Amino acid sequence: QQQVKQSPQSLIVQKGGIPIINCAYENTAFDYFPWYQQFPGKGPALLIAIRPDVSEKKEGRFTISFNKSAKQFSLHIMDSQPGDSATYFCAASIMSGYNKLIFGAGTRLAVHP
Amino acid sequence: DSGVTQTPKHLITATGQRVTLRCSPRSGDLSVYWYQQSLDQGLQFLIQYYNGEERAKGNILERFSAQQFPDLHSELNLSSLELGDSALYFCASSLRQGANTGELFFGEGSRLTVL
Repeated sequence: QQQVKQSPQSLIVQKGGIPIINCAYENTAFDYFPWYQQFPGKGPALLIAIRPDVSEKKEGRFTISFNKSAKQFSLHIMDSQPGDSATYFCAASIMSGYNKLIFGAGTRLAVHP
Repeated sequence: DSGVTQTPKHLITATGQRVTLRCSPRSGDLSVYWYQQSLDQGLQFLIQYYNGEERAKGNILERFSAQQFPDLHSELNLSSLELGDSALYFCASSLRQGANTGELFFGEGSRLTVL
């Protein structure tokens, strides 16, 4: 019940394409759903996050769509650029539970010029 | 720069040995988290400390232990090392007094290679 399932494992798109990464969870107590971006040799860094009281959040070219009834959420990257090539992790936590983040397995995104 | 400092950045050791990884959290953060990232695997939660006390335990082996000191820095001790312990170990910090955004700030990791 603590798992977060992420797909696909890897993704290749052309510059300008819209990669979509999906995640699903089971624990309905989760109330914070972030996406982290990790470049090679670096630690993960927060990209965008959503709480379950909204169905969509947009920050720049990055959008989270959240479906509470289906227990799923996804990341869309608009007008993707080669600089977006990185590994993306979805995660979930219970904010009152000291913020322990449970991560998905990660998606390796390559954006070709 | 996340403000989280991890040392050493790289460590090569032999099977059966013991190593200590160190983490200094962001100034003001009370909680420290340790994660393990193996090749082609996600971030596996190991353990969390809050203001010196253990708060949550994940898939941490009995050969591994951690602690958080009064100055809030943390150490992860890995003993009787096996080849399969080779991984990136990340420390993250969070939870400033009176300010919980949910965000974890990660260091750049310590890469452990066991030969």
